[in-house]
Amino acid sequence: DTEVTQTPKHLVMGMTNKKSLKCEQHMGHRAMYWYKQKAKKPPELMFVYSYEKLSINESVPSRFSPECPNSSLLNLHLHALQPEDSALYLCASSQGGLPNEQYFGPGTRLTVT
Amino acid sequence: AQSVTQPDIHITVSEGASLELRCNYSYGATPYLFWYVQSPGQGLQLLLKYFSGDTLVQGIKGFEAEFKRSQSSFNLRKPSVHWSDAAEYFCAVAIMNRDDKIIFGKGTRLHILP
Repeated sequence: DTEVTQTPKHLVMGMTNKKSLKCEQHMGHRAMYWYKQKAKKPPELMFVYSYEKLSINESVPSRFSPECPNSSLLNLHLHALQPEDSALYLCASSQGGLPNEQYFGPGTRLTVT
Repeated sequence: AQSVTQPDIHITVSEGASLELRCNYSYGATPYLFWYVQSPGQGLQLLLKYFSGDTLVQGIKGFEAEFKRSQSSFNLRKPSVHWSDAAEYFCAVAIMNRDDKIIFGKGTRLHILP
């Protein structure tokens, strides 16, 4: 199984809502990543978890809160987002971190109204 | 500073024609290089990677890439494209230092003419 799954596929939320994005992999990978991708742009790294510990936070605003409950799951909690946060949020995993290849999920298309 | 440049924003080729997508990188140490493909609304899929060894690497879907250290390039090629190859292609370099990270180029959108 080389699949990374993400739920939901689409999410529309107001600026006062609280929601969560979920990511799951069963490949035994110990590194997991959150990326943000705006239209017609490359992915931008947000967070990296290595062995369930946050290892990289790319100066992401606190309205984004990552969580890694176990080695297979990665969540991104959203609160008080802004319309400019609307984007495709991609999750990825890799065996032992970079430079090993990353396996990407299909993403969650987030719209903030 | 480390960077990845994909000079072509859009490329259009006819189905069955050959393809070359350009990628140049700037990184002082040994580069770990990748090509990813992204179909609309989808995640990224790894086509191939170069870490060391043979500078011509083979990937999935009939793609290959050649690492040229003297030119700081890692161009992607395919001898004959198919309509299903229409997608966004990202070149990337892994930066291995205190904070390991991957830097993506801005991407090249490939259009296929029937």
